[in-house]
Amino acid sequence: AQTVTQSQPEMSVQEAETVTLSCTYDTSESDYYLFWYKQPPSRQMILVIRQEAYKQQNATENRFSVNFQKAAKSFSLKISDSQLGDAAMYFCAYNSLGGGSQGNLIFGKGTKLSVKP
Amino acid sequence: KAGVTQTPRYLIKTRGQQVTLSCSPISGHRSVSWYQQTPGQGLQFLFEYFSETQRNKGNFPGRFSGRQFSNSRSEMNVSTLELGDSALYLCASSLAGTGFGYTFGSGTRLTVV
Repeated sequence: AQTVTQSQPEMSVQEAETVTLSCTYDTSESDYYLFWYKQPPSRQMILVIRQEAYKQQNATENRFSVNFQKAAKSFSLKISDSQLGDAAMYFCAYNSLGGGSQGNLIFGKGTKLSVKP
Repeated sequence: KAGVTQTPRYLIKTRGQQVTLSCSPISGHRSVSWYQQTPGQGLQFLFEYFSETQRNKGNFPGRFSGRQFSNSRSEMNVSTLELGDSALYLCASSLAGTGFGYTFGSGTRLTVV
């Protein structure tokens, strides 16, 4: 079974600085999707960035980018120019393409990010 | 366009009762998944529906069930509530359920007393 590990329960960053959140996963599959979701106190999970495993190019979305290392099974999230609104829980998630995996996102335990003014 | 709508936002129930939660997906999305979120266990997958059929199910007891209607709206039911069922229940919708990206609702906070 696939697993997702986020080894940093909490992280802190100064406003305008850069922070990197770590995520590793375990799988025997070659094709899958990886996601980073953000959950602010409002509770709604918001998609930050998405990576398809067969694409070698790292995904970027404005200030958010990933470092996808398929062989190392690592998927870290870099937030540049951090803003106060970035403070939230961040979850790394894995989505298999295998049959019987529809709709099933496997989440890590999350990293709580604080942004200091 | 309207997002994923979950009702109610908050719910307090007594042990032994049953509860029904509702999720209206984004228009055009045919897949709806449900998750339970607790501080101890994190986010756990309950089940996924696509075109009124359950395609996938997580490791939860039979007290947890769901259904999906022809308009893609989904309901989740928990019977014989236990204290441990207290959690945030999230639903997510997507076009087809795999890799397309999932849009989540704001969840229903269920408290069992």
